[in-house]
Amino acid sequence: GIQVEQSPPDLILQEGANSTLRCNFSDSVNNLQWFHQNPWGQLINLFYIPSGTKQNGRLSATTVATERYSLLYISSSQTTDSGVYFCAVLLLQGGSEKLVFGKGMKLTVNP
Amino acid sequence: KAGVTQTPRYLIKTRGQQVTLSCSPISGHRSVSWYQQTPGQGLQFLFEYFSETQRNKGNFPGRFSGRQFSNSRSEMNVSTLELGDSALYLCASSPLAGGREQFFGPGTRLTVL
Repeated sequence: GIQVEQSPPDLILQEGANSTLRCNFSDSVNNLQWFHQNPWGQLINLFYIPSGTKQNGRLSATTVATERYSLLYISSSQTTDSGVYFCAVLLLQGGSEKLVFGKGMKLTVNP
Repeated sequence: KAGVTQTPRYLIKTRGQQVTLSCSPISGHRSVSWYQQTPGQGLQFLFEYFSETQRNKGNFPGRFSGRQFSNSRSEMNVSTLELGDSALYLCASSPLAGGREQFFGPGTRLTVL
């Protein structure tokens, strides 16, 4: 099956620093989503991005589908950005759809 | 518009029991998927329902089952619980079949003792 790899697995930053999270996937995908998991476990949608670049405030994402990777940029990080970030690729199988997740990246932003 | 809701939020069961978890999708969403999250295996796809039909199932034993009702609400059932079934169970909904953004509920945290 398809492999989704995220790097780095852990990242510690000082408040105000910038960071780049990378997601590589091993095969063609129909779409890609980035999530932030809050401390209570809920997955919060950040981006739904099959290709190109999107921006939302201090966050932006770029997916290069032909090269099978996506990047999530966090600028001017804040302590509230701490948590686990997941990349997930959407696969269509005979009309059904499912997300295949990476293992996540734990971000800690220190004040 | 209300988000995806899941009940109960927390559950404690003992080995051998069975459990039913419920998920109500975002209004208008017809596809409901279930995922299991454990520290060892990460987030894994369980199954997906659309129009009351299971269209896809992940690599889980037959003890894991589900169903979807005509109002798109979904339930999943785990029978003969094992310690390894302790996990966060997440439900997601999407508006249409095929290639649409999935939105997740808060999850049900199941502990099996």
